[in-house]
Amino acid sequence: DGGITQSPKYLFRKEGQNVTLSCEQNLNHDAMYWYRQDPGQGLRLIYYSQIVNDFQKGDIAEGYSVSREKKESFPLTVTSAQKNPTAFYLCASSIFAPGRGGTDTQYFGPGTRLTVL
Amino acid sequence: KQEVTQIPAALSVPEGENLVLNCSFTDSAIYNLQWFRQDPGKGLTSLLLIQSSQREQTSGRLNASLDKSSGRSTLYIAASQPGDSATYLCAVQGGSEKLVFGKGMKLTVNP
Repeated sequence: DGGITQSPKYLFRKEGQNVTLSCEQNLNHDAMYWYRQDPGQGLRLIYYSQIVNDFQKGDIAEGYSVSREKKESFPLTVTSAQKNPTAFYLCASSIFAPGRGGTDTQYFGPGTRLTVL
Repeated sequence: KQEVTQIPAALSVPEGENLVLNCSFTDSAIYNLQWFRQDPGKGLTSLLLIQSSQREQTSGRLNASLDKSSGRSTLYIAASQPGDSATYLCAVQGGSEKLVFGKGMKLTVNP
């Protein structure tokens, strides 16, 4: 059964802690993305990666870090430097097609809801 | 900087109505436009993708049109059902290879 999985579904963080959100895909997609969703704000891009061992900052990368050691995995770490991390985090992937403007349809995981205690 | 707007932010209709959801964008230099559906607390599901060279796409009761020159897209939902209740998001992809999303429109279809 192909798709994108995210874990955990719910995550609670204490002040000063780093936490890591998992994202795995078995769609053989080259590109992967992390978005943050806040009520009334829409989706904002945190980081994206178009190839293994390479990633780019999105619009709101401060306080976050990522790695892309394997094609199927793109974990996101929310560091203590992120002052307002409570949000719904969504991971997505797509075929990277430079000849067609870069990307195809993005497929999303079920999301992780992070709450700061 | 690309901006995507969806108005209104919410819509409540009786079952059976034909609906038109609107999306506008400020920069017409796009590669494609996508419509997504999001159920409460869930991820996004892709509904339709329109390449910049296309005028419309259809899937079942859904039809999406694109007018690049005017910076507009519409998603038409025929014979709405309570199961169509969700938030609908529009997103455009431009030269930066990133998707820019609107804030979404929350649709409620009442039985």
